[in-house]
Amino acid sequence: GENVEQHPSTLSVQEGDSAVIKCTYSDSASNYFPWYKQELGKRPQLIIDIRSNVGEKKDQRIAVTLNKTAKHFSLHITETQPEDSAVYFCAAGLQTGANNLFFGTGTRLTVIP
Amino acid sequence: EAGVAQSPRYKIIEKRQSVAFWCNPISGHATLYWYQQILGQGPKLLIQFQNNGVVDDSQLPKDRFSAERLKGVDSTLKIQPAKLEDSAVYLCASSPTGGTSPLHFGNGTRLTVT
Repeated sequence: GENVEQHPSTLSVQEGDSAVIKCTYSDSASNYFPWYKQELGKRPQLIIDIRSNVGEKKDQRIAVTLNKTAKHFSLHITETQPEDSAVYFCAAGLQTGANNLFFGTGTRLTVIP
Repeated sequence: EAGVAQSPRYKIIEKRQSVAFWCNPISGHATLYWYQQILGQGPKLLIQFQNNGVVDDSQLPKDRFSAERLKGVDSTLKIQPAKLEDSAVYLCASSPTGGTSPLHFGNGTRLTVT
């Protein structure tokens, strides 16, 4: 089955700096890669996703890059703000009728004001 | 739109007792998932339903866990008997179909087994 590894497990940045979280996956058949943000005690919420037919996607201060050859993808947050503090999870899965996502272990991001 | 509803929000039981969780997905969402999230880890899929049929239950510990989705809407997840290692947050999620549809998670049920 798919195995998703995520690094780092914790990340602290100064407000306004950039944050990068990296994930690798093992199953070359995976072609859907979402990122979820989970604030303390709350539900995971999708913040951005990318499919294998593109290498990069941006949404305001958030961007995701995908390297299918190397089987890794990354989340980039620019101009970080205190409200970006949360746990971020990457996931990998298949674009089929089923949607079995395999999640990474999470990165706790702390943005220091 | 109303989100995925789950209850109870918290549950504390002793080992060997049984417990049940309930989930009401977003209206019209055909696919429903139950995930287990152990503290400090990412969510792990337990079971996936498409309408009222099981699509994937390969990671469900079937000796103690069971789930059903009657009439293709609400779902219940049961643990009987519970073990200490079952302590986790149980997240329900739904999506319109599957595949490329984003998952919408509920707030989860935090289970503590003592």
